[in-house]
Amino acid sequence: NAGVTQTPKFRILKIGQSMTLQCTQDMNHNYMYWYRQDPGMGLKLIYYSVGAGITDKGEVPNGYNVSRSTTEDFPLRLELAAPSQTSVYFCASSYTARGLGVRAFFGQGTRLTVV
Amino acid sequence: GIQVEQSPPDLILQEGANSTLRCNFSDSVNNLQWFHQNPWGQLINLFYIPSGTKQNGRLSATTVATERYSLLYISSSQTTDSGVYFCAVAVPRGGTSYGKLTFGQGTILTVHP
Repeated sequence: NAGVTQTPKFRILKIGQSMTLQCTQDMNHNYMYWYRQDPGMGLKLIYYSVGAGITDKGEVPNGYNVSRSTTEDFPLRLELAAPSQTSVYFCASSYTARGLGVRAFFGQGTRLTVV
Repeated sequence: GIQVEQSPPDLILQEGANSTLRCNFSDSVNNLQWFHQNPWGQLINLFYIPSGTKQNGRLSATTVATERYSLLYISSSQTTDSGVYFCAVAVPRGGTSYGKLTFGQGTILTVHP
């Protein structure tokens, strides 16, 4: 049981490049999330999904896109990378109880630097 | 949006000491979780505790939802407890929150041998 798996672990991008951060979970959780963590700060929600085919914006969605074609996968797309997107990105999933997302499980993070 | 404030921002302990971390939040929540971020950056879920008290080994947590705060207790601290402790909450809108978490700024804990 691998839990939540993110790839890559590290990446350096040049300004204007694009990339996709991959996230897969094997716990059959309906809810999945992308957060970013800037140095010395807590995490902020970028996008979330409550099931295959359903996604919605979080607190800081600008410059990102997501898709959810399967329960397991929730990739995050960065278009036209900017230095402000330098951060550590975390994918998470949670199971649901009576429609409420409960305990969240996080991947190991992707450290992205835009130069 | 909801405000989540954690205190203290930094805490330095000797191994074996006890500590209490506090999380205050500004709105009613239906989800509160405590996380430990270890020095390698991994986030470990310690507790899901929207109300009441839970214990897991040397750690315990209490949430008083009506007064909008939660406490995390660490007893007999060990060097491996070092890292950042985050409180995160979710606010119900239309009956659910979808587990969307708002994080506090964290408490940096350093335990010396």
